[in-house]
Amino acid sequence: GAGVSQSPSNKVTEKGKDVELRCDPISGHTALYWYRQSLGQGLEFLIYFQGNSAPDKSGLPSDRFSAERTGGSVSTLTIQRTQQEDSAVYLCASSLAFGGETQYFGPGTRLLVL
Amino acid sequence: GDSVTQMEGPVTLSEEAFLTINCTYTATGYPSLFWYVQYPGEGLQLLLKATKADDKGSNKGFEATYRKETTSFHLEKGSVQVSDSAVYFCALSDRYDYKLSFGAGTTVTVRA
Repeated sequence: GAGVSQSPSNKVTEKGKDVELRCDPISGHTALYWYRQSLGQGLEFLIYFQGNSAPDKSGLPSDRFSAERTGGSVSTLTIQRTQQEDSAVYLCASSLAFGGETQYFGPGTRLLVL
Repeated sequence: GDSVTQMEGPVTLSEEAFLTINCTYTATGYPSLFWYVQYPGEGLQLLLKATKADDKGSNKGFEATYRKETTSFHLEKGSVQVSDSAVYFCALSDRYDYKLSFGAGTTVTVRA
């Protein structure tokens, strides 16, 4: 079956612009996660959704970051007023449920902020 | 909070050599343990997992045993191939938590 898909695969933007990153989880997976992979910080957890609800947003690095999920499926991560330190690979994962379940990752969106 | 510590790389080996990557964890609950692999230019893939003490996960010739007494989940392969060159991440997820906590990753290069 289809895995987790993400778009775009690459995004180059200018400092100060807004960007939207999309994630399409595996069908039937109720839990969805966003992570960030950067050279200096390794793999960082950002936010998760159980259905359409995001109970804990404390992993988001600043208030410029927001995420939503609609219909229990597609999720969008939005970064407003991008900064150079936002350059990273943004990974999305999904799982059947949360709490010890295997998370399946998408290929990531490589974001470069000039 | 939960955390994972894995041996630092990079690790360079010859083909058919034995590979061990050490991983230890700290968790307050009863975590599931994972090894993920990232091949050059590709995304994270699950390599193997173990969900309770003494479980052994295995895949593609790799093995790791969940050792609660030593809080470890070391990855081993008896005879590596050039195609095993990748970055390997140890991770845990607590059944009462929702995120994966990752180690820093170990870069492995296998030379022919």
